[in-house]
Amino acid sequence: DQQVKQNSPSLSVQEGRISILNCDYTNSMFDYFLWYKKYPAEGPTFLISISSIKDKNEDGRFTVFLNKSAKHLSLHIVPSQPGDSAVYFCAATGSSNTGKLIFGQGTTLQVKP
Amino acid sequence: DTEVTQTPKHLVMGMTNKKSLKCEQHMGHRAMYWYKQKAKKPPELMFVYSYEKLSINESVPSRFSPECPNSSLLNLHLHALQPEDSALYLCASSQPSSGRAVDEQYFGPGTRLTVT
Repeated sequence: DQQVKQNSPSLSVQEGRISILNCDYTNSMFDYFLWYKKYPAEGPTFLISISSIKDKNEDGRFTVFLNKSAKHLSLHIVPSQPGDSAVYFCAATGSSNTGKLIFGQGTTLQVKP
Repeated sequence: DTEVTQTPKHLVMGMTNKKSLKCEQHMGHRAMYWYKQKAKKPPELMFVYSYEKLSINESVPSRFSPECPNSSLLNLHLHALQPEDSALYLCASSQPSSGRAVDEQYFGPGTRLTVT
């Protein structure tokens, strides 16, 4: 049972344009969502997070949008840069205080110069 | 210092060997995690330590034995592993707030383990 889904395994975008990565979840108990970026041979790097009490959080070029009714979140990167090319993981957790992050399968973003 | 360090970076071991993976953080975080990641898959949680106590064991086989000697260190002891245990083992840490052990987790670079 995959509770967090990233249905697009890959995405290719031209440098300077917007990258939109999508994530869907099924568990209505999730109340905190995170995006991680992972380069090959490195551990995931935390990018940005959003609490379920918000519908948008922005940090520089990165913005995360949350649509609770649709159980959907998205990460927007504007403008995209070649250094953004990596695997992006969406993750979710609930208020059970257990410390467990549920990750999506990841989307490989390629930003072409 | 927002760094989580892991040693070794690469490890090749036989099925009868005993080895240990080490993880260290100096961010004052009181929650530490072990994950396993196979190629083209997301990280899978194995263990969570919160305030040096094991709080989650995701039904991991006993050939993996975690240890948290102090708030900065986390070990994963390996014994009698199988070839299918070959993977990237990631350590992470976070600062619990309001009783939550999760929040933003900071990951180390991982140990690439190969079991022959």
